Amino acid sequence: SAVISQKPSRDICQRGTSLTIQCQVDSQVTMMFWYRQQPGQSLTLIATANQGSEATYESGFVIDKFPISRPNLTFSTLTVSNMSPEDSSIYLCSVYVNTEAFFGQGTRLTVV
Amino acid sequence: AQKITQTQPGMFVQEKEAVTLDCTYDTSDQSYGLFWYKQPSSGEMIFLIYQGSYDEQNATEGRYSLNFQKARKSANLVISASQLGDSAMYFCAMREVTSGTYKYIFGTGTRLKVLA
Repeated sequence: SAVISQKPSRDICQRGTSLTIQCQVDSQVTMMFWYRQQPGQSLTLIATANQGSEATYESGFVIDKFPISRPNLTFSTLTVSNMSPEDSSIYLCSVYVNTEAFFGQGTRLTVV
Repeated sequence: AQKITQTQPGMFVQEKEAVTLDCTYDTSDQSYGLFWYKQPSSGEMIFLIYQGSYDEQNATEGRYSLNFQKARKSANLVISASQLGDSAMYFCAMREVTSGTYKYIFGTGTRLKVLA
C-alpha cells in the first residue's frame, strides 16, 4: 500500500495568482499522477510525473499552465498558474502500487 | 467513445438493503483491471474493490462484490446491507496500458444516497 500526504487540503485563491500543491508518498514510486476533478464531474488525468524527466501531459493540458516538479521518488508538486474561476476543481495526486491506485486526500481549489 | 460508462447518475437505496451500481467498459486489451472507488463529500478517493481481466471468480471485499461479466464487458458493484455511511459518489475505473504506461480511466460516477 501507499500513504500519500497532499497539501493544502483546500484553498481559496484570487484570479491571476498561482497555487502549488504538494504530494508526499511514504514509499518510493516511479510514477506519480495528477488528476483534476471539476465540479460534479469525473477525474481527468492532467499529467504523469517521472523522477528525473519532464512530465508527460495529456491532451488539453500544457506545462505553462500546470508545471510539475518531481525532484525525487517520494515527492511531487503541481502548480496551477494564472488561475481563473474555471480552474476551481479538486486536484488529486495518485500513485500505483501493484494493482491499485492510491490517492492523496485531494486539494479543493476555489478561484474567486 | 466512452471507455467507462456509468449510466446511473444517482441512486437511492433503503438502509440494510442491497444495491447494484452499473459499469460497462470498452477495451481491446486482453489484460486490464477494473476498479471501484468511493468518494465521500470530503473529496478523497477510497479504493473499494479490484477485478483483473483474467480473474475467473468475482471479486469480493466485505460488503462489496463485483459482478464481472467479461463477455458483456460489465463490472457492476454490489453493496450488500447498505449503511448510511455508504452515501457517496462511486466511480468505476479501468486500468489499461498505453505506450508502456499504466493509465486509469474513470467513469462519470454514480451518487448513492442511503435512506434511513
